[in-house]
Amino acid sequence: TQLLEQSPQFLSIQEGENLTVYCNSSSVFSSLQWYRQEPGEGPVLLVTVVTGGEVKKLKRLTFQFGDARKDSSLHITAAQPGDTGLYLCAPRNNAGNMLTFGGGTRLMVKP
Amino acid sequence: EAQVTQNPRYLITVTGKKLTVTCSQNMNHEYMSWYRQDPGLGLRQIYYSMNVEVTDKGDVPEGYKVSRKEKRNFPLILESPSPNQTSLYFCASSRVAKNIQYFGAGTRLSVL
Repeated sequence: TQLLEQSPQFLSIQEGENLTVYCNSSSVFSSLQWYRQEPGEGPVLLVTVVTGGEVKKLKRLTFQFGDARKDSSLHITAAQPGDTGLYLCAPRNNAGNMLTFGGGTRLMVKP
Repeated sequence: EAQVTQNPRYLITVTGKKLTVTCSQNMNHEYMSWYRQDPGLGLRQIYYSMNVEVTDKGDVPEGYKVSRKEKRNFPLILESPSPNQTSLYFCASSRVAKNIQYFGAGTRLSVL
């Protein structure tokens, strides 16, 4: 059984601050997805990273896949209240089509 | 509009009373799955289906059944619900090759 950990579990910051959240595992993955879930809604896919060391940017969000493909980070620059939500990582291994989700980081950005 | 539709959105029931949560997608996706989301435990996969008439257990299948008679529908069945099945349930679908999952808006179930 793979160990998947997201940190921090909770993060409360002021508008305009920068932050980084992490997704770590003991296993190597073929790819990894990041989702954001807002209250009362289902998760929405933000990005998929595939290559070790890959960096993808989505406006103020920067996603990085670790060189060894065991971990990933999400950095948000100048956070806004609209970034508030639960950020979930979902690594995928080569065996089958199951997605396992981390416990998530619950982010609150205060105006 | 691409959609995954779950019904009902909210359900309160009593122990032992059979219930079905429906899920339908309009994207012609082969892959569909059910998850439950509980505080501190994240999203855990209950069952998934790679295609019509093909279903497999996920991480937490006990107490649940599914069926996939048509490509667009993937109902979740609780034959005899118990209080530990009180949770927030999500249905998701994807094209297998693209590895993107679209989620429904969720069904909040309370079993008394």
